Amino acid sequence: NAGVTQTPKFQVLKTGQSMTLQCAQDMNHEYMSWYRQDPGMGLRLIHYSVGAGITDQGEVPNGYNVSRSTTEDFPLRLLSAAPSQTSVYFCASSYSRQGESPYEQYFGPGTRLTVT
Amino acid sequence: RKEVEQDPGPFNVPEGATVAFNCTYSNSASQSFFWYRQDCRKEPKLLMSVYSSGNEDGRFTAQLNRASQYISLLIRDSKLSDSATYLCVVNMGTGKLIFGQGTTLQVKP
Repeated sequence: NAGVTQTPKFQVLKTGQSMTLQCAQDMNHEYMSWYRQDPGMGLRLIHYSVGAGITDQGEVPNGYNVSRSTTEDFPLRLLSAAPSQTSVYFCASSYSRQGESPYEQYFGPGTRLTVT
Repeated sequence: RKEVEQDPGPFNVPEGATVAFNCTYSNSASQSFFWYRQDCRKEPKLLMSVYSSGNEDGRFTAQLNRASQYISLLIRDSKLSDSATYLCVVNMGTGKLIFGQGTTLQVKP
């Protein structure tokens, strides 16, 4: 298993450009999430999904869109990049046993995004 | 108020010391709790889940106090390799996990 993969690893954008950060997992996990991490801060939840076709907002959703058309993929779209979106972005997936809360989150290696 | 709060530190301790981190959460309906470890510029990795009865894994002990809404992590006999950032994570239910800002530990020889 490749686990959770993210592409690209690094990206530089100009203000106003759009792009999609890709995230895929091959563990058949139902839960997937996107986080951003800024210097000196923990991870902040952007959007999450509890299954294909179901997404919800996290703590900092503004400026980002997501969709979950398949179990495997959970892309994050930046509609019009701003310097405040310069950050490290982590995608994660997890599962739960029937009727129980999500278990351990498996993280991708991150995408380091700079917006100039 | 943040939903999950931690003292960012840094905690600077000598090898062999015992160190404890606390984390408080605001939502009394939170369902499950975890400690993650993050090394510099790497992805976080699960250190241990936190159970109501408390649990231990080698030198690491985690405790949960639902009445006071805090969790703790105790590290005994600190090693140089324990130097990292420790993240408290709270499962709010329905797949929504919230992270604290992390506590930085530096273990010195």
